[in-house]
Amino acid sequence: AQSVAQPEDQVNVAEGNPLTVKCTYSVSGNPYLFWYVQYPNRGLQFLLKYITGDNLVKGSYGFEAEFNKSQTSFHLKKPSALVSDSALYFCAVRDVGAAGNKLTFGGGTRVLVKP
Amino acid sequence: DSGVTQTPKHLITATGQRVTLRCSPRSGDLSVYWYQQSLDQGLQFLIQYYNGEERAKGNILERFSAQQFPDLHSELNLSSLELGDSALYFCASSVGQGGSGANVLTFGAGSRLTVL
Repeated sequence: AQSVAQPEDQVNVAEGNPLTVKCTYSVSGNPYLFWYVQYPNRGLQFLLKYITGDNLVKGSYGFEAEFNKSQTSFHLKKPSALVSDSALYFCAVRDVGAAGNKLTFGGGTRVLVKP
Repeated sequence: DSGVTQTPKHLITATGQRVTLRCSPRSGDLSVYWYQQSLDQGLQFLIQYYNGEERAKGNILERFSAQQFPDLHSELNLSSLELGDSALYFCASSVGQGGSGANVLTFGAGSRLTVL
């Protein structure tokens, strides 16, 4: 079975400060890991993914994430947050060996960036 | 616009009724996925189809069914509706079916179902 945990329901950060959204995962084999963002009344938008290779993955809108196998984590980061980054962020995992392409999502973390 | 089209955007119906949600995948994508997003359950995977065939199944209730047609559009049928079925239903699509590739899902804007 595969699962994802996002331990924080909400993260508050001041504009210009670093932003971190935490994610830990559990799979029986190797993981594919993803971050998506959801703005109000919109569908989820892909930010970045980890497949293999470099543990630091760069994605859209200045976001990056660091894969840590020993800690089974895939935290999302942005060096300098913008008010427009306020949204709901989802981490997702897929077991490489699983049939199909089922992604399991975490519960989401709401990010609020204050001016 | 993500290229994934879902209709209707909003739907209000009564308990016991049946509704059909429709999804047209992004051009070139062969896989279609259905997810349910509710406040208490988060984002739950329901089912995946690839080129007309079921590929993966999640926590889909027996009252729910789906299919993917030859033109690759998909429909999610929800019957004997209950208050708890009120949720946002997302369709997503991807090029492949999974396997060794990390196929990125492209999501539609969702269909909001309200059961009264």
